[in-house]
Amino acid sequence: DTGVSQDPRHKITKRGQNVTFRCDPISEHNRLYWYRQTLGQGPEFLTYFQNEAQLEKSRLLSDRFSAERPKGSFSTLEIQRTEQGDSAMYLCASSLVSGALNEQFFGPGTRLTVL
Amino acid sequence: QKEVEQNSGPLSVPEGAIASLNCTYSDRGSQSFFWYRQYSGKSPELIMSIYSNGDKEDGRFTAQLNKASQYVSLLIRDSQPSDSATYLCAVRARSGGYQKVTFGTGTKLQVIP
Repeated sequence: DTGVSQDPRHKITKRGQNVTFRCDPISEHNRLYWYRQTLGQGPEFLTYFQNEAQLEKSRLLSDRFSAERPKGSFSTLEIQRTEQGDSAMYLCASSLVSGALNEQFFGPGTRLTVL
Repeated sequence: QKEVEQNSGPLSVPEGAIASLNCTYSDRGSQSFFWYRQYSGKSPELIMSIYSNGDKEDGRFTAQLNKASQYVSLLIRDSQPSDSATYLCAVRARSGGYQKVTFGTGTKLQVIP
């Protein structure tokens, strides 16, 4: 069973540059989520997709952030004009919408450092 | 009031003891509850899920849910040094048209050999 994968695992960039992250969910899962986590905090919701439709986006999410899931499979998260405050672990999770639990399973994350 | 509250710890227990981790939540409409384990520098790993009042056991782990008190806990029996990690409580509740999952800040557990 292949879990959630994310690429790259680490990204170092200079302030003002654009970065793009990729997430491949568990193959049969129809929901895909993006979270951001900083040191000492729990994961913070950014956005989620059901199949190819982006159904919810956090009100805290800057317009510099955009996410896509063009064919309902993998997803990309782009951050434009990065700022030092964007430095964090970006986590992707996926789930299968069935039953009462709708459990989310996380990928290994992409650690972003903005210099 | 935070939506999901956990004591940040660290909670220190000797090897072989029972570790008890606690979490409270504010939304009475919350439907499902999850415990994730997160090792330093790694991503969260799902270890327990529960949605009905009472206890749910899986190996050395027991999740306890009391919806009336808005309280969920995780017991780890026969604690091992490898259990040393941060434990995140997560709660799913409806927020508009979306069933949002909110995480606590985690409790750091240290199991002392």
